[in-house]
Amino acid sequence: GAVVSQHPSWVICKSGTSVKIECRSLDFQATTMFWYRQFPKQSLMLMATSNEGSKATYEQGVEKDKFLINHASLTLSTLTVTSAHPEDSSFYICSARKTGSRRLGEQYFGPGTRLTVT
Amino acid sequence: AQTVTQSQPEMSVQEAETVTLSCTYDTSESNYYLFWYKQPPSRQMILVIRQEAYKQQNATENRFSVNFQKAAKSFSLKISDSQLGDTAMYFCAFMKPGGQNFVFGPGTRLSVLP
Repeated sequence: GAVVSQHPSWVICKSGTSVKIECRSLDFQATTMFWYRQFPKQSLMLMATSNEGSKATYEQGVEKDKFLINHASLTLSTLTVTSAHPEDSSFYICSARKTGSRRLGEQYFGPGTRLTVT
Repeated sequence: AQTVTQSQPEMSVQEAETVTLSCTYDTSESNYYLFWYKQPPSRQMILVIRQEAYKQQNATENRFSVNFQKAAKSFSLKISDSQLGDTAMYFCAFMKPGGQNFVFGPGTRLSVLP
């Protein structure tokens, strides 16, 4: 149990276009999901915290108008990269926290999405 | 703000041997949680072990154990009987009580050699 999926796993888009990445908790409900960005050979950097039914909380330096997050249900959060540019090329990873979980750090990571902007 | 440091960008170990990965962190919190995550070539993040700062006993999970030194703010990971499948990036991570998100260290790339 506790599986998180991401779709697509790999996407290539042209500069100036928008791309949507989905994060789904397959067998549990997740009130809170997190979006991370990972550059090659670097660590994960938190971009934003996504809460079901409310606005996402963005980390300092992350443009909320560029990285749109929607958490419309307890099992789905989406990250839309708007007007993508080559510098947005990266590996995007989501994680989901089980609703009602009292175990600290009980989060489950998706397999990631590789975005390449040409 | 919390920071996590991993001073070993890359390490290698022979199969069946033991290796220790270092992690230090900086925080003014007295209670918090520490984690080691593994990211194999598939890029899937996998929880290896977790430690609660108020517990003095070091956490263990099969071949994985930690040496938690709270005063020194050190949290090293020991992998015993290394296996080829242990080859991965290892990230040390910090989470404060009430917090939900991780602060990750820069990672250590571990290669297990046959």
